[in-house]
Amino acid sequence: DIQMTQSPSSLSASVGDRVIFTCRASQSITNYLNWYQQKPGKAPKLLIYAASILHSGVPSRFSGGGSGTDFTLTISSLQPEDFATYYCQQSFNTFASFGQGTKLEIK
Amino acid sequence: EVQLVESGGGLVQPGGSLRLSCAASGFSVSDNYMSWVRQAPGKGLEWVSLIYAGGTTYYADSVKGRFAVSRDNSKNTLYLQMSSLRVEDTAVYYCARDKASAGPGMLGAYAFYYMDVWGTGTSVTVSS
Repeated sequence: DIQMTQSPSSLSASVGDRVIFTCRASQSITNYLNWYQQKPGKAPKLLIYAASILHSGVPSRFSGGGSGTDFTLTISSLQPEDFATYYCQQSFNTFASFGQGTKLEIK
Repeated sequence: EVQLVESGGGLVQPGGSLRLSCAASGFSVSDNYMSWVRQAPGKGLEWVSLIYAGGTTYYADSVKGRFAVSRDNSKNTLYLQMSSLRVEDTAVYYCARDKASAGPGMLGAYAFYYMDVWGTGTSVTVSS
């Protein structure tokens, strides 16, 4: 099984800040890494797939990077609607797995 | 509009069974890979199962042998039959479409899968 580890588990930031989330895979997954945003009581929403491709309709302040085992999700300038929990997910093999999530809170 | 709507959740006793449904609109479930993902109260996302367009199925170890995914093409609906339910199966269950697109740059020849459409979820509580 491929284990996905996200850090930090929570993060406090202010509107306008630049924030970076980190996700690490237990083995190389090349670029098979997706990022999702989830708000309380709602289904997850896809932000980025294949590590760096922005999903349709997602604001350009979101960007993804990395390959192999280490990946990042960056929000260039936080907006009020960005406060949520962010999950990474590997699609390298059939048995998908998610990181434990990073909760982004308002400072 | 592309949409998924789950139903069938509820309260069930340990050892009981439940069948979840996921009705699709705007696309055909039979032409797509479809996943079930669950989220226990206050916890993260856990992949549960996947069905290929061709019908091959896969399961997480935590549910293998107890859960079965299927679909009714005429109703454009995905199902998750859950049996021998345990307290730890308590969660919100989401169905999602697994879409494939070409990778970036030199990875353009490869298909990258991601869950681009999600249902609103249905809640399952296993308790005596």
